[in-house]
Amino acid sequence: DAGVIQSPRHEVTEMGQEVTLRCKPISGHDYLFWYRQTMMRGLELLIYFNNNVPIDDSGMPEDRFSAKMPNASFSTLKIQPSEPRDSAVYFCASREGEDTEAFFGQGTRLTVV
Amino acid sequence: RKEVEQDPGPFNVPEGATVAFNCTYSNSASQSFFWYRQDCRKEPKLLMSVYSSGNEDGRFTAQLNRASQYISLLIRDSKLSDSATYLCVVTLYKSNYQLIWGAGTKLIIKP
Repeated sequence: DAGVIQSPRHEVTEMGQEVTLRCKPISGHDYLFWYRQTMMRGLELLIYFNNNVPIDDSGMPEDRFSAKMPNASFSTLKIQPSEPRDSAVYFCASREGEDTEAFFGQGTRLTVV
Repeated sequence: RKEVEQDPGPFNVPEGATVAFNCTYSNSASQSFFWYRQDCRKEPKLLMSVYSSGNEDGRFTAQLNRASQYISLLIRDSKLSDSATYLCVVTLYKSNYQLIWGAGTKLIIKP
């Protein structure tokens, strides 16, 4: 398996634009997580899915953020409109079961100018 | 109190030395435990799972102390390439097995 695949790897966008981040989890993994990491705040959980159903979205900062998982092999995280404070590295991770380790994608480095 | 706490460091350690750091967790219902390593500008990667009986993988040893609610990581004969941030993670049954992350301990191995 190729591991968790995220795209794009880098994204530079202007304030106010819509940004869509994509993630393909490892095949057979039931859980998918979206994280955001900054120097100031560390690794923050935004939302996670179990069997394509959102379980906990309490970490989503505000209504500008939305996440979907239309099927077991694809998820998106959308920011609309984007703001400079959204600049961070966004990681997607997946895991097979409830007690197993998580595997991360390489992340999307987002810069909003 | 944070659910998972780590000393942020940095730990500055000479090459070849042994270094150990702990991670404490607040919820006694924590189920599973892991150590991850994160290099600068990279994604976290699993270093090792932590089992109740303790486990060893080469120069790395992980221990779990449920009574005192902490896990530890010991690195022997440290290498320059061990420089990284080490994150501990616990899963919590009562939170739908969510992964609870520590903020990480930064380790710098000096030649």
